Amino acid sequence: GESVGLHLPTLSVQEGDNSIINCAYSNSASDYFIWYKQESGKGPQFIIDIRSNMDKRQGQRVTVLLNKTVKHLSLQIAATQPGDSAVYFCAENRQGAQKLVFGQGTRLTINP
Amino acid sequence: EPEVTQTPSHQVTQMGQEVILRCVPISNHLYFYWYRQILGQKVEFLVSFYNNEISEKSEIFDDQFSVERPDGSNFTLKIRSTKLEDSAMYFCASSRVETQYFGPGTRLLVL
Repeated sequence: GESVGLHLPTLSVQEGDNSIINCAYSNSASDYFIWYKQESGKGPQFIIDIRSNMDKRQGQRVTVLLNKTVKHLSLQIAATQPGDSAVYFCAENRQGAQKLVFGQGTRLTINP
Repeated sequence: EPEVTQTPSHQVTQMGQEVILRCVPISNHLYFYWYRQILGQKVEFLVSFYNNEISEKSEIFDDQFSVERPDGSNFTLKIRSTKLEDSAMYFCASSRVETQYFGPGTRLLVL
């Protein structure tokens, strides 16, 4: 089963630097992946998604990389800003299912 | 930009009481969901709803839970007899196809 912990992985970066947040997913049948940003007291906010037939997708200041061989997903944020400080979750979806399975989350802190 | 909205933002209730959490999904969306997040933990799926019926549910979604779309705009989650462990943030989400958009959540505290 999945382990549920109370301590989030954390990442601190200097404002203006690039950050990379990693996620390992568990289900090899998952074919759709989403990154969400969650600020304190708010709901998950969609950032970017990627399908399993792609290995890279770019948005504004964000890039998602997918490595299906090792079941690994990463989110790269370029030129980080103070507003990027939040918890970032990856989520996976298996074809034919509707539920999203969320990862543990990573707390990103941007230092001025 | 259309958003999912939820009411109330906070709800405090006594153990054993019934609560109804309300959501207005994005208007042209077809799929509706409820998730919960216990403090400090990850978001967990509860139930999905499509074409006026439950399409998928988790083991958390037991007989104490029910969902309803009473009209063309609202989507509700009812907890029949709340327990202390039901205390959590409850998020509603909706999607047109796959990409799910979340509301701001209702913080439920069961005393």
